[in-house]
Amino acid sequence: KNEVEQSPQNLTAQEGEFITINCSYSVGISALHWLQQHPGGGIVSLFMLSSGKKKHGRLIATINIQEKHSSLHITASHPRDSAVYICAAGMDSNYQLIWGAGTKLIIKP
Amino acid sequence: NAGVTQTPKFQVLKTGQSMTLQCAQDMNHNSMYWYRQDPGMGLRLIYYSASEGTTDKGEVPNGYNVSRLNKREFSLRLESAAPSQTSVYFCASSERWAVYEQYFGPGTRLTVT
Repeated sequence: KNEVEQSPQNLTAQEGEFITINCSYSVGISALHWLQQHPGGGIVSLFMLSSGKKKHGRLIATINIQEKHSSLHITASHPRDSAVYICAAGMDSNYQLIWGAGTKLIIKP
Repeated sequence: NAGVTQTPKFQVLKTGQSMTLQCAQDMNHNSMYWYRQDPGMGLRLIYYSASEGTTDKGEVPNGYNVSRLNKREFSLRLESAAPSQTSVYFCASSERWAVYEQYFGPGTRLTVT
């Protein structure tokens, strides 16, 4: 069993829908990362959070440390949001991230 | 700021050939990483450098060597390329350890025939 599990693996939605991607982890962590990989291959860090909630534009990330669960939400989704979204867990004083397998999101116009 | 740069962007090698992938960052980060991503798969850590002068093995180090040339540059060498090393290689950097945000280069698409 992976230490970081993402769901769903694939998600197709219509433009404008509210999107939720989930990430559960089984280890104690200090930070949870959300990244986006564009269809062209580039990887961009979206959020790093250790508690609570962060918002950037239409993207919202939340984490519940007690439940070992994080969610990434996209409001008013747009075809340009189509990408693979990856969560990764980081532990303090450890240089290696534990990576989720990614969620492939397709937003149809 | 260029962020993290990688060269080359594409490379085709024959089995047994060697090559070095170059990576540089201009963010004064202490830690640097090399990942590989096989088609349809997630990222796997090959090697990392916690700070200048140190390197450590990641999840899949066999067949690779690295050099942390200075604080800015971290290279990955394939001494004798094999078809199993066909992949996209990403370099990344972060201020320090895994609780800090990682910044990725554009990737090198390597094909070994």
